[in-house]
Amino acid sequence: GDSVTQMEGPVTLSEEAFLTINCTYTATGYPSLFWYVQYPGEGLQLLLKATKADDKGSNKGFEATYRKETTSFHLEKGSVQVSDSAVYFCALRSGGRNTDKLIFGTGTRLQVFP
Amino acid sequence: EAGVAQSPRYKIIEKRQSVAFWCNPISGHATLYWYQQILGQGPKLLIQFQNNGVVDDSQLPKDRFSAERLKGVDSTLKIQPAKLEDSAVYLCASSTRWDTDTQYFGPGTRLTVL
Repeated sequence: GDSVTQMEGPVTLSEEAFLTINCTYTATGYPSLFWYVQYPGEGLQLLLKATKADDKGSNKGFEATYRKETTSFHLEKGSVQVSDSAVYFCALRSGGRNTDKLIFGTGTRLQVFP
Repeated sequence: EAGVAQSPRYKIIEKRQSVAFWCNPISGHATLYWYQQILGQGPKLLIQFQNNGVVDDSQLPKDRFSAERLKGVDSTLKIQPAKLEDSAVYLCASSTRWDTDTQYFGPGTRLTVL
């Protein structure tokens, strides 16, 4: 079945460091890909998305490119801030007739220190 | 615009007891989802409603879990009887319709089964 694999955390960085969180997927067809973020004590929020190959999603300085050839959707940010500390989930939308199930990875905790 | 509301936020019960969670989706959203997020894992879809009909409940443990969405608005998820392995955060999400990319998540209900 469809699945998402993302790097284990925690990822610990100093402020202004470069961030990469790896995500690869297995899916039949052409899924949409997402990054969700969960800040401490809050619900999941959509960070960015890409719906077809070579699309780049971006938001709040974060970017991810849909790479069909490598089945990847790695999350990057050029300069992280303490406020970026959160758990990041990669997900794919496994479509079908009348259903749009989101399949999530296990999450990667990011800790940014001043 | 009000977000997805869930209650209670926290619940502690003993095994074999019953528990119910409530969700009020964003106004006008036809599709409602219940996810289970076990500590250290990504959310897993339990059930999806389109209006008041069930679209996907393939991963719902039907011997103990039940859910309903009367009148196509609010929804209730029930566990009876609870087991230790049901300890998790139960997330409700909604979207305008089944084939849109963005799901909006509530803050979740953290269930601890002792």
